[in-house]
Amino acid sequence: GDSVTQMEGPVTLSEEAFLTINCTYTATGYPSLFWYVQYPGEGLQLLLKATKADDKGSNKGFEATYRKETTSFHLEKGSVQVSDSAVYFCGTSYGKLTFGQGTILTVHP
Amino acid sequence: SAVISQKPSRDICQRGTSLTIQCQVDSQVTMMFWYRQQPGQSLTLIATANQGSEATYESGFVIDKFPISRPNLTFSTLTVSNMSPEDSSIYLCSAADTNTEAFFGQGTRLTVV
Repeated sequence: GDSVTQMEGPVTLSEEAFLTINCTYTATGYPSLFWYVQYPGEGLQLLLKATKADDKGSNKGFEATYRKETTSFHLEKGSVQVSDSAVYFCGTSYGKLTFGQGTILTVHP
Repeated sequence: SAVISQKPSRDICQRGTSLTIQCQVDSQVTMMFWYRQQPGQSLTLIATANQGSEATYESGFVIDKFPISRPNLTFSTLTVSNMSPEDSSIYLCSAADTNTEAFFGQGTRLTVV
């Protein structure tokens, strides 16, 4: 079955720092890839997605590129804000998602 | 996109009792799922709620403990039966159609005392 490995957290950054959260996957075929974000006390929200190799998903300054050759979908943001503090989950496939373990991001002023 | 309403949003329950969580989607969807998120952990899929037939459970989850209903394409319930403190968790409903991303409810935060 599918599996996802995410960079372990927690990650603590200062405001305006560069963010990378690594995500690699194993899957049969060519799955769609997602990043979800969970703000404190809330459910999951889709942050961005990519459906085929070399696609770049982007939203709210976050980006991730579907790299088939390295089976990766790393999340990046050039300048994080305090409001980006949340838990980030990488996932594969439509519908019945397989999630990574989640990465807690804390951004300090 | 689909909007998912889950209730209750939180509850504190006595051990040995049962709680039913409701999930309502604002449009018809093909697939509905129930996940559990234990404190500080990732999401674990409990089961796929199948419309008109028995739910499909993942390894480690059984129907007697987590009975699920899905009477139509917009609604599902999850019951946590005979609860113990180990069942304290966030339970999340999710919905998706073929070739669309999954949408999530706000979750139900359950504490068993």
